[in-house]
Amino acid sequence: AQTVTQSQPEMSVQEAETVTLSCTYDTSENNYYLFWYKQPPSRQMILVIRQEAYKQQNATENRFSVNFQKAAKSFSLKISDSQLGDTAMYFCAFRSSGGSNYKLTFGKGTLLTVNP
Amino acid sequence: GAGVSQSPSNKVTEKGKDVELRCDPISGHTALYWYRQSLGQGLEFLIYFQGNSAPDKSGLPSDRFSAERTGGSVSTLTIQRTQQEDSAVYLCASSLFSGTTNEKLFFGSGTQLSVL
Repeated sequence: AQTVTQSQPEMSVQEAETVTLSCTYDTSENNYYLFWYKQPPSRQMILVIRQEAYKQQNATENRFSVNFQKAAKSFSLKISDSQLGDTAMYFCAFRSSGGSNYKLTFGKGTLLTVNP
Repeated sequence: GAGVSQSPSNKVTEKGKDVELRCDPISGHTALYWYRQSLGQGLEFLIYFQGNSAPDKSGLPSDRFSAERTGGSVSTLTIQRTQQEDSAVYLCASSLFSGTTNEKLFFGSGTQLSVL
């Protein structure tokens, strides 16, 4: 079974600075998908960025980018120019491309606080 | 509707009572998912619907939990004889088709269940 580990329960950053959230995972599969979700106090999970394992290029979405290291099974999220609205829980998630490809496996999350 | 709607937003119940949680997915979405988020934990997969069928119920914690989906739309998660360990946020998500490369999940804001 796949597992996802987020080793930083909480992090903080000053507004306009850059922060990196860590995520490692364990799988025996070669093809899969990785995601970062944001959960603000409204509780609604919002997709931040996704990465397909067969793509070597790191995904980027505006201020958000990932560092995907397939061999190391590492998938970190970098937030540049942090904004107060980035304050939220961030979850790393894994999805298989095989038989259980409908199911997301989540890490326990990192609470990010952006300070003014 | 514009998004995934869940009701009630919050539910407080007494131990031993039954509760029903409702999810209205985005119109036209064939796939529907239930996840549970316990305090300090990531999201835990409960059940998945494709249309009205539930191919995977493996995440349901016990036989006190059941779910149904009717008309390929609304889903109800029922917890019988609630226990304190059932206290959690129950999140629903929907997508157009499950397991596709570009599948995008849309989450509701969840139901916060508190069992006293």
